[in-house]
Amino acid sequence: KQEVTQIPAALSVPEGENLVLNCSFTDSAIYNLQWFRQDPGKGLTSLLLIQSSQREQTSGRLNASLDKSSGRSTLYIAASQPGDSATYLCAVNSGGYQKVTFGTGTKLQVIP
Amino acid sequence: DAGVIQSPRHEVTEMGQEVTLRCKPISGHNSLFWYRQTMMRGLELLIYFNNNVPIDDSGMPEDRFSAKMPNASFSTLKIQPSEPRDSAVYFCASSPGGRSDTEAFFGQGTRLTVV
Repeated sequence: KQEVTQIPAALSVPEGENLVLNCSFTDSAIYNLQWFRQDPGKGLTSLLLIQSSQREQTSGRLNASLDKSSGRSTLYIAASQPGDSATYLCAVNSGGYQKVTFGTGTKLQVIP
Repeated sequence: DAGVIQSPRHEVTEMGQEVTLRCKPISGHNSLFWYRQTMMRGLELLIYFNNNVPIDDSGMPEDRFSAKMPNASFSTLKIQPSEPRDSAVYFCASSPGGRSDTEAFFGQGTRLTVV
């Protein structure tokens, strides 16, 4: 059974700082890994999707990397802004029918 | 496309009552997922459908929970009878499916409170 862990559970940083969120998973036989953002009381917004054959994906100030062999992914946020404050979730797809296991999330607060 | 649409957004019901949550997936998507999110357990997959057929319902907590997908544009998650421990946010998601490399799109969720 796939288990997904995110560390830290919460993070508070001053505006402008670069930061890294971590996601680890136990079964390296995955199809892809997806990073989501969730704002309070809202649904999930997809940020980046990394296929199992890829090492990283970039979108604006976000960069996600994937190391399947070690069961790890990182989400790098450059020049953080208060608007980045949210909970970030990683989701690992290890089933052919998109059977996805979510991590517990990292709650990020960027202080102006 | 308006995205995945869930209704209602909020539901407050008394213990023992039947609750029905609704989901309209993105047009053309043939995979649909129901998730439950709680503070204690995070996001859990309850059931997923492919081409309207339930593929895996091993995440459904107990027989009080049932899900249907009568056609490609509509799905329901029913709880009967509801209990206070069912209080959570229920998300529906859809994806193009059929391939392993597609991403999932989530609805805004239904916040269920059972009193």
